[in-house]
Amino acid sequence: GAGVSQSPRYKVAKRGQDVALRCDPISGHVSLFWYQQALGQGPEFLTYFQNEAQLDKSGLPSDRFFAERPEGSVSTLKIQRTQQEDSAVYLCTTALAGGGNEQFFGPGTRLTVL
Amino acid sequence: KQEVTQIPAALSVPEGENLVLNCSFTDSAIYNLQWFRQDPGKGLTSLLLIQSSQREQTSGRLNASLDKSSGRSTLYIAASQPGDSATYLCAVASGGSYIPTFGRGTSLIVHP
Repeated sequence: GAGVSQSPRYKVAKRGQDVALRCDPISGHVSLFWYQQALGQGPEFLTYFQNEAQLDKSGLPSDRFFAERPEGSVSTLKIQRTQQEDSAVYLCTTALAGGGNEQFFGPGTRLTVL
Repeated sequence: KQEVTQIPAALSVPEGENLVLNCSFTDSAIYNLQWFRQDPGKGLTSLLLIQSSQREQTSGRLNASLDKSSGRSTLYIAASQPGDSATYLCAVASGGSYIPTFGRGTSLIVHP
């Protein structure tokens, strides 16, 4: 596709439920980042992939958060046993190679945990 | 750890004014700086990317400058229009993996 796509666009989960958020990058983009954006805040870094390798996961807030990119293309961010504080917009961004290149963002997934 | 601050947090101006949005960062060893626009409920749209070796970039009514030594960037919007209303974010790529660090944004309202 022409841009980064994310699905679902909106997700409502009950506390304790597991969720999976998907990111489809721009074809050929090697680097993929996940960010979490709380209301009124800037995006906060979660994790970074170069191809299928997860090079940095220092931003994941707890071990309930897990991300993968098994074939170096589509990535999934999984949150287990969701809590209310997980409510946020989850943004995926991709770049040709490395964070030093222009970033292209997806529309985000708005997660609401009740 | 890189920290990015944007001032002001919010701005409301009448149409036609020239605007300056500020972004400051604590670690001057950056790779690049990127300005984004975010409309409510939407993702981020890239506006301008300035490499560390550059001092400014221009696109239409937008001009972004970079002063690495003082840890500052400014986004200048000329002749503002209601359609410019959005949140403007800057992101600084630094560190070993050049992971972008974002500010909290400036929320801009341009009223007719």
